Amino acid sequence: DAKTTQPPSMDCAEGRAANLPCNHSTISGNEYVYWYRQIHSQGPQYIIHGLKNNETNEMASLIITEDRKSSTLILPHATLRDTAVYYCIVYNQGGKLIFGQGTELSVKP
Amino acid sequence: DGGITQSPKYLFRKEGQNVTLSCEQNLNHDAMYWYRQDPGQGLRLIYYSQIVNDFQKGDIAEGYSVSREKKESFPLTVTSAQKNPTAFYLCASSIRSIRDPWGTEAFFGQGTRLTVV
Repeated sequence: DAKTTQPPSMDCAEGRAANLPCNHSTISGNEYVYWYRQIHSQGPQYIIHGLKNNETNEMASLIITEDRKSSTLILPHATLRDTAVYYCIVYNQGGKLIFGQGTELSVKP
Repeated sequence: DGGITQSPKYLFRKEGQNVTLSCEQNLNHDAMYWYRQDPGQGLRLIYYSQIVNDFQKGDIAEGYSVSREKKESFPLTVTSAQKNPTAFYLCASSIRSIRDPWGTEAFFGQGTRLTVV
């Protein structure tokens, strides 16, 4: 079973920051949090991952709470091309990469 | 160019026939995965393999079979025992690294859309 909970949908205005929350209250100490996104009918695309420190790359920032029970993916300046389903995943030590239902982000002009 | 390739992109089969979906990667990745996605749904794990000649069932393995005879290949067979085979199938691969010992980012193919009539 997926170990993460995300809101099913969110809207964001173009040019504004999109903040996508994820709850992973049962995460273990050495499990990583991953974020992927899937544009309609394509394969998912890796965005970012982290363990306990905040992370930033050219696509997004990942903020992980100190207790690691939740995280937020931030797209600093959302564009129409960022409209997609965003998946938050906790990487299982047994090797399974389990996807939940994700958040459908709609970026509007 | 390195990448992961699924073929074909669209596949049609008659009910009761077995069909094999191809997944090949030239990224030298150890781990490979098969997922199924139904309309408006998330991805569900069918099978995964961490190393050649070894694989494990995912959450919905019934009616499917796989093999991992080569590092770069992980074909999925949809058998006649799978009750609802029509779906979008995605293959992925990932590599273990020191920085990320539990596996790192997974790369996905573009998927195969299987329709059984």
